[in-house]
Amino acid sequence: NAGVTQTPKFQVLKTGQSMTLQCAQDMNHNSMYWYRQDPGMGLRLIYYSASEGTTDKGEVPNGYNVSRLNKREFSLRLESAAPSQTSVYFCASSEGQGRTDTQYFGPGTRLTVL
Amino acid sequence: AQSVTQLGSHVSVSEGALVLLRCNYSSSVPPYLFWYVQYPNQGLQLLLKYTTGATLVKGINGFEAEFKKSETSFHLTKPSAHMSDAAEYFCAVWQSGNTPLVFGKGTRLSVIA
Repeated sequence: NAGVTQTPKFQVLKTGQSMTLQCAQDMNHNSMYWYRQDPGMGLRLIYYSASEGTTDKGEVPNGYNVSRLNKREFSLRLESAAPSQTSVYFCASSEGQGRTDTQYFGPGTRLTVL
Repeated sequence: AQSVTQLGSHVSVSEGALVLLRCNYSSSVPPYLFWYVQYPNQGLQLLLKYTTGATLVKGINGFEAEFKKSETSFHLTKPSAHMSDAAEYFCAVWQSGNTPLVFGKGTRLSVIA
């Protein structure tokens, strides 16, 4: 039982390049999330998927797109990377979107945009 | 809308001393409150959560938090700090409607030998 896995762990991009961050969970969870973590800013929600087939914007969605490929996988795409997107990205999942549901986090992807 | 404020971005304590990390929330409805911990170079993991019932909640690794409605607080405590407690701690509150958790900005805990 691997929990939440993310690939890659590290990535360096040049401004304007595109890339997709992959996330998968093996806990049969319905809801999945993408966050970015920046110093002094805490975690900010980029997009989430309450259930397979649905996605919704979070606090900072500009410059990102997501795809809920199936129940297990939720990818985050940067179409044209900018230095402001340099951050650590975390994927998380939870059984549902209920108020008491615990979110389980992946190990993160450190992205640098030059 | 609900929000959460963590007082102090960095807290230092000596090994064996009391740990107190502060969290205040704003909410117009009864909140659901969480503390998550992030060890260096790892993702977050749940420390404890308050949903309903007993206002003193016990979590992993000897941590506990008390929900005080009158003070709109959910402070995290541990009687005796250990070196392994050095990490970043995030308070989070459930936002109303169908939107997910809102996290505070985090408090980095350093433990001095």
